[in-house]
Amino acid sequence: KAGVTQTPRYLIKTRGQQVTLSCSPISGHRSVSWYQQTPGQGLQFLFEYFSETQRNKGNFPGRFSGRQFSNSRSEMNVSTLELGDSALYLCASSLLGSPNTEAFFGQGTRLTVV
Amino acid sequence: SQQGEEDPQALSIQEGENATMNCSYKTSINNLQWYRQNSGRGLVHLILIRSNEREKHSGRLRVTLDTSKKSSSLLITASRAADTASYFCATLLSSNAGGTSYGKLTFGQGTILTVHP
Repeated sequence: KAGVTQTPRYLIKTRGQQVTLSCSPISGHRSVSWYQQTPGQGLQFLFEYFSETQRNKGNFPGRFSGRQFSNSRSEMNVSTLELGDSALYLCASSLLGSPNTEAFFGQGTRLTVV
Repeated sequence: SQQGEEDPQALSIQEGENATMNCSYKTSINNLQWYRQNSGRGLVHLILIRSNEREKHSGRLRVTLDTSKKSSSLLITASRAADTASYFCATLLSSNAGGTSYGKLTFGQGTILTVHP
């Protein structure tokens, strides 16, 4: 069974640009969550999607958005990039995203904003 | 702010020794999960313990949960150099802790474990 796939693995963007990251969950999993990891703030929850609907959202500005497609694949978009957006972005998939189900993470996308 | 705090921040041991990492959290939870991360890569799920469980084993891993003290510990027995990584605890808040908990894991800052051959 294939794991969670994130593309691209590495990305370099310039301040002010926008970026789209992609996440393909484990087959059969319907919940996809996104996290940002930085040395200063650690792992922070961005949002969660289930059946194409955002069910939960963290405390990030509106520049961070996401969506989920009917095949459960998810994309995350960051507009008007800032230097502080440089981070490892991780997505996690789980069967239902409900309590007591494990979350499985992808390898992440390393975004560098210059 | 982070829900969980981990202790110690860094741990250095010799191969064959046991490693114990602790995690404390602040609000009531549905479950607590432990993850391993190698050098800025993805997180590997290790074990999930539900709020009504007190202890769980998986191979060389033993996790305990004390909901009265809001704390958990991860014990790795007979450690190997390959266990060198960062270890994170993550909690899924119970619904009565405020708001929906769907998919939202709250992570501690992690413990960096170094196992010397």
